[in-house]
Amino acid sequence: AQSVTQLGSHVSVSEGALVLLRCNYSSSVPPYLFWYVQYPNQGLQLLLKYTTGATLVKGINGFEAEFKKSETSFHLTKPSAHMSDAAEYFCAVSDGRGSQGNLIFGKGTKLSVKP
Amino acid sequence: DAGVIQSPRHEVTEMGQEVTLRCKPISGHDYLFWYRQTMMRGLELLIYFNNNVPIDDSGMPEDRFSAKMPNASFSTLKIQPSEPRDSAVYFCASSFGFGGLEGYTFGSGTRLTVV
Repeated sequence: AQSVTQLGSHVSVSEGALVLLRCNYSSSVPPYLFWYVQYPNQGLQLLLKYTTGATLVKGINGFEAEFKKSETSFHLTKPSAHMSDAAEYFCAVSDGRGSQGNLIFGKGTKLSVKP
Repeated sequence: DAGVIQSPRHEVTEMGQEVTLRCKPISGHDYLFWYRQTMMRGLELLIYFNNNVPIDDSGMPEDRFSAKMPNASFSTLKIQPSEPRDSAVYFCASSFGFGGLEGYTFGSGTRLTVV
């Protein structure tokens, strides 16, 4: 069965500092991996995804994530945090191909950005 | 496309009353999902449909909850009777394929408060 673990329910960084949000997954087959962002009082928005090909994927707002199969990880990073990055971030995994496989979400990491 | 549309955005009701939440998925998407989000339990999958047919309702908390999808462009989630512990944000999401290449598109949610 698939699972997703996000280390740290809350992460606080200073504006301009590196953002690192951790995600580890468990899947019996090569996974599809996603990061979603939820701003206050809004729904989840797709930030970036890995399906196949290049293991370093770039998303919106300067975020990127790297798929590391050997570490079963898909950590989200941004070189320099901005106040507008304050939100909750969800990692998700699917072992589906086409019509197979569910999207399993982690419990989320709330990012705070200090001025 | 206008995205996944949910209504109402906010609902306040008294305990014991019937509540109906509505969702219009993205045209062409064949899967529709209902999620509930609370501080305590995070994001929970309640039920999902494929081509208007309910596939898995194992996440529905109890018989007071029911969901329908009479056609490809409309779904409802009903709670009858409502209880204070049902207070949460309810999200609808749709996708092409189950856990496929594009992930899910979420609506903005309905914030339900039962007093």
